[in-house]
Amino acid sequence: GAGVSQSPRYKVAKRGQDVALRCDPISGHVSLFWYQQALGQGPEFLTYFQNEAQLDKSGLPSDRFFAERPEGSVSTLKIQRTQQEDSAVYLCASSWESYNEQFFGPGTRLTVL
Amino acid sequence: QQPVQSPQAVILREGEDAVINCSSSKALYSVHWYRQKHGEAPVFLMILLKGGEQKGHEKISASFNEKKQQSSLYLTASQLSYSGTYFCGTEDSGGGADGLTFGKGTHLIIQP
Repeated sequence: GAGVSQSPRYKVAKRGQDVALRCDPISGHVSLFWYQQALGQGPEFLTYFQNEAQLDKSGLPSDRFFAERPEGSVSTLKIQRTQQEDSAVYLCASSWESYNEQFFGPGTRLTVL
Repeated sequence: QQPVQSPQAVILREGEDAVINCSSSKALYSVHWYRQKHGEAPVFLMILLKGGEQKGHEKISASFNEKKQQSSLYLTASQLSYSGTYFCGTEDSGGGADGLTFGKGTHLIIQP
């Protein structure tokens, strides 16, 4: 595709609900990253995939967060039992390989009430 | 550890120059620079790799001092479109695959 796309763009969840955020990377990009960006802050790394393999999940804040990329293309970030502190913009980025420039999607703004 | 950016904010008149700095306490493999406008995705500007390789937009220049673990982004003859928040993201030299560690950002306002 022309760029990284994410859906939904906005999500409002009640505390305790589960949410799933989708990322469609640029076609052919091997590497895929998820970041969390709080208001007024820089993006914070969550997890990294190389094709379908999740090589680093050290940034996931708790075991309520789970990410997958089963076919090495589309990725889903799932948050179980959402809490208010999960409210943030979730950014997805892809690149040809790690250590290359990353292209970001528009993000999903999650608000947990 | 998060890189430190300076200044936190800068206001310029159109046509003036600016320098944004990024400093890390860790040995770095690369430094990436992005600009983000309010409500939008970060946009890639420049990547600087250990060893001197650089890749980025023609109108943007940057430097990477590997010994000091510092990078600077140079914005010359600024235009209104340069307004936004600038982030540096770093990858350390420890190897392995991981994402970028971003600074807190530098807010740049260009006035006509």
